[in-house]
Amino acid sequence: NAGVTQTPKFQVLKTGQSMTLQCAQDMNHNSMYWYRQDPGMGLRLIYYSASEGTTDKGEVPNGYNVSRLNKREFSLRLESAAPSQTSVYFCASSERRGGNYGYTFGSGTRLTVV
Amino acid sequence: GENVEQHPSTLSVQEGDSAVIKCTYSDSASNYFPWYKQELGKGPQLIIDIRSNVGEKKDQRIAVTLNKTAKHFSLHITETQPEDSAVYFCAPRRTASKLTFGTGTRLQVTL
Repeated sequence: NAGVTQTPKFQVLKTGQSMTLQCAQDMNHNSMYWYRQDPGMGLRLIYYSASEGTTDKGEVPNGYNVSRLNKREFSLRLESAAPSQTSVYFCASSERRGGNYGYTFGSGTRLTVV
Repeated sequence: GENVEQHPSTLSVQEGDSAVIKCTYSDSASNYFPWYKQELGKGPQLIIDIRSNVGEKKDQRIAVTLNKTAKHFSLHITETQPEDSAVYFCAPRRTASKLTFGTGTRLQVTL
């Protein structure tokens, strides 16, 4: 039982390049999330998907797009990477939409934009 | 939205001592109060949580206490060990909303 799997673990992009971060969970969770983590700023929500077929903006959505491909997979796309998007990105899932259940996080993708 | 503050931002204790981290929140409708532990190079992991109808919850060496009137809750770690060294985040929420994470507390347990 792998939990939440993120790929890649590390990535270096040049300014203006695009890429997609992949996330998959095997716990049959309804809700999935993308966070970014910057030093001294905790985790900030980029986008989330309360259930398959729905996506919504979080606190810092600018410069990102998401796709909930199916119940298992939730991808994050950077269309034109900028140095300000250098961060560690975490995907998470939770058991029930609206329910007070803990989140399960992946191990993160460390992205550097030069 | 929810405003969340954690104190202290860094905490250094000797092995065997206790550590307490406090989380203050602004949304009086918050009803779920979890704590997450993040080890170096890993994602956050839920270690303990409490609902608003409970004042205290304990799980071995860790405990969480809640003061809804004052809008704060605290993480207590007793008999600290080197493996407790990590960054700890609180993340209060109300029903049907997303977790709002605090900025984290770096705990260092020294030998």
